[in-house]
Amino acid sequence: GQNIDQPTEMTATEGAIVQINCTYQTSGFNGLFWYQQHAGEAPTFLSYNVLDGLEEKGRFSSFLSRSKGYSYLLLKELQMKDSASYLCAVRGGSYIPTFGRGTSLIVHP
Amino acid sequence: DAGVIQSPRHEVTEMGQEVTLRCKPISGHDYLFWYRQTMMRGLELLIYFNNNVPIDDSGMPEDRFSAKMPNASFSTLKIQPSEPRDSAVYFCASSLLAYGGRGVHTEAFFGQGTRLTVV
Repeated sequence: GQNIDQPTEMTATEGAIVQINCTYQTSGFNGLFWYQQHAGEAPTFLSYNVLDGLEEKGRFSSFLSRSKGYSYLLLKELQMKDSASYLCAVRGGSYIPTFGRGTSLIVHP
Repeated sequence: DAGVIQSPRHEVTEMGQEVTLRCKPISGHDYLFWYRQTMMRGLELLIYFNNNVPIDDSGMPEDRFSAKMPNASFSTLKIQPSEPRDSAVYFCASSLLAYGGRGVHTEAFFGQGTRLTVV
């Protein structure tokens, strides 16, 4: 089975940097995804890591350490529109993603 | 492509009634997933199909739930009879297993979801 942990809620200030952590336990590993979900909308893909290290995409970066079962999503230069839920999903041996419960990020002025 | 299309967007029904949710995956995608999202349990996988064949339905809560995929462009999730605890947002998602090297699965693309309320 798979177990995925991420904080329930985080708050940050506009313009700041925030790091959202995700730890996981899985039988087999075929990649880790981060999705963004605004209230009332569908999850949308942000990033994918399958090898250790940092993947950068504009203001967003995602890091993976497979040996530690750990990932984080780093959001820089926060904007109000970044207020959303961020979902960590792990693809195990079956190639099917299992989602964490999500971290609700609140960005305030 | 218009993306994954789900209907209806909202459904309010009375307990005991049959509910059918519909999904059109992205053309060419060979995997289709049905997820349920609630505040308490987050996003849970109910069932997934590969090339229209159900592969794993272990997430389906009970016999009241059933899913079909009669062809590559259409799937349904049916609840009969519905109960208030079935109230949730139901998402359909699709993805593609791209053969190249070891074969890589794309990310899952989600539909806009169906918000089901059973009263």
